[in-house]
Amino acid sequence: GAGVSQTPSNKVTEKGKYVELRCDPISGHTALYWYRQSLGQGPEFLIYFQGTGAADDSGLPNDRFFAVRPEGSVSTLKIQRTERGDSAVYLCASSPTGGKNIQYFGAGTRLSVL
Amino acid sequence: AQKITQTQPGMFVQEKEAVTLDCTYDTSDPSYGLFWYKQPSSGEMIFLIYQGSYDQQNATEGRYSLNFQKARKSANLVISASQLGDSAMYFCAMREGPGNEKLTFGTGTRLTIIP
Repeated sequence: GAGVSQTPSNKVTEKGKYVELRCDPISGHTALYWYRQSLGQGPEFLIYFQGTGAADDSGLPNDRFFAVRPEGSVSTLKIQRTERGDSAVYLCASSPTGGKNIQYFGAGTRLSVL
Repeated sequence: AQKITQTQPGMFVQEKEAVTLDCTYDTSDPSYGLFWYKQPSSGEMIFLIYQGSYDQQNATEGRYSLNFQKARKSANLVISASQLGDSAMYFCAMREGPGNEKLTFGTGTRLTIIP
């Protein structure tokens, strides 16, 4: 498939553990976004990459959250010392540069912190 | 104030009828974009339609059209001839200003199509 791929689809962890969520964007898309969707809510912006650099990380809730995109393609969202409140669906999207910049989303990673 | 307001938490519509999903937005920036996404139970957000603030005509994509009323700051989604596969959550979203790429989403409307 040529869509945005997110792995794992589900992740269960214990409070205090470290987790990594992976996003593989659509080939050729230079922009990559992470959002978090809590139950019954719309997605909330976390961070946006243009190429390898984080162009806007204003949505990261605190310093336990960090994301990288070292080669300008795949991105990893890293959460340290997970808390029960981190439980949500983490969505990744990518878009080409220019024009309408339509963001195309993956199916998300459902994170459950016990 | 909420940037994006979707006042219909749930709607039930008979198959083959048209349905309008409401969305109002709040921004002081003259340049913005409005989006509608569909989220079926599988979880993936599927892009449906886009309207730019400077676009002169209402956007249309197949059975989807966007009723853009700029003065009222509304961007309602109209789905014609609804199908059972249209049952899903629908989210309205906005991107404000040039150079700002993040989307702000509403709380969504759950649409159920009745056979």
